[in-house]
Amino acid sequence: EAGVVQSPRYKIIEKKQPVAFWCNPISGHNTLYWYLQNLGQGPELLIRYENEEAVDDSQLPKDRFSAERLKGVDSTLKIQPAELGDSAVYLCASSLDVGNEQFFGPGTRLTVL
Amino acid sequence: AQSVTQLGSHVSVSEGALVLLRCNYSSSVPPYLFWYVQYPNQGLQLLLKYTSAATLVKGINGFEAEFKKSETSFHLTKPSAHMSDAAEYFCAVSRSGNTPLVFGKGTRLSVIA
Repeated sequence: EAGVVQSPRYKIIEKKQPVAFWCNPISGHNTLYWYLQNLGQGPELLIRYENEEAVDDSQLPKDRFSAERLKGVDSTLKIQPAELGDSAVYLCASSLDVGNEQFFGPGTRLTVL
Repeated sequence: AQSVTQLGSHVSVSEGALVLLRCNYSSSVPPYLFWYVQYPNQGLQLLLKYTSAATLVKGINGFEAEFKKSETSFHLTKPSAHMSDAAEYFCAVSRSGNTPLVFGKGTRLSVIA
């Protein structure tokens, strides 16, 4: 069974440019998470989806970040415009339902110059 | 609010020696506790979890952790380190199965031949 797939794995952009990350969760997993992992830190939840509904987005900086999960499967996280401080690894995870084990993707490493 | 503190950002052990990674938690209610491992350029993988059943929890790859309420600790141990154990380890806490994980800052384990 395929795990959580994320693309791209690496992205380098200049500040003020837009960027998007894509996540394909494990088939049948209803819950999808986006985490931010800064260098030397643990992951921090940005947003959680139950099917296509965002049920916890309190930590998502809504002035520049947006996310969607169309049809309750794949998800896209967007930053527009990117700032230097956005350089980090963006992790996607999924679980059968909330409360079940979370399976993590390899992450997208973003570098903003 | 829940939080975890991982003592030591970097631990180095010799191959075959005992591995001890420390985690202390803060929670206003009985917590759910987790240990995750992250290999370079990969996502997080669940090692083990405590959900109020047995206080000694056995996980994958020979790791185990003991929940000690009196010490608010959930330290991770392995009797004999292997080179393949070199990775970043994260302790995490949640209030229940339905609440987000809060991660510690991580401990990098190095294994010396």
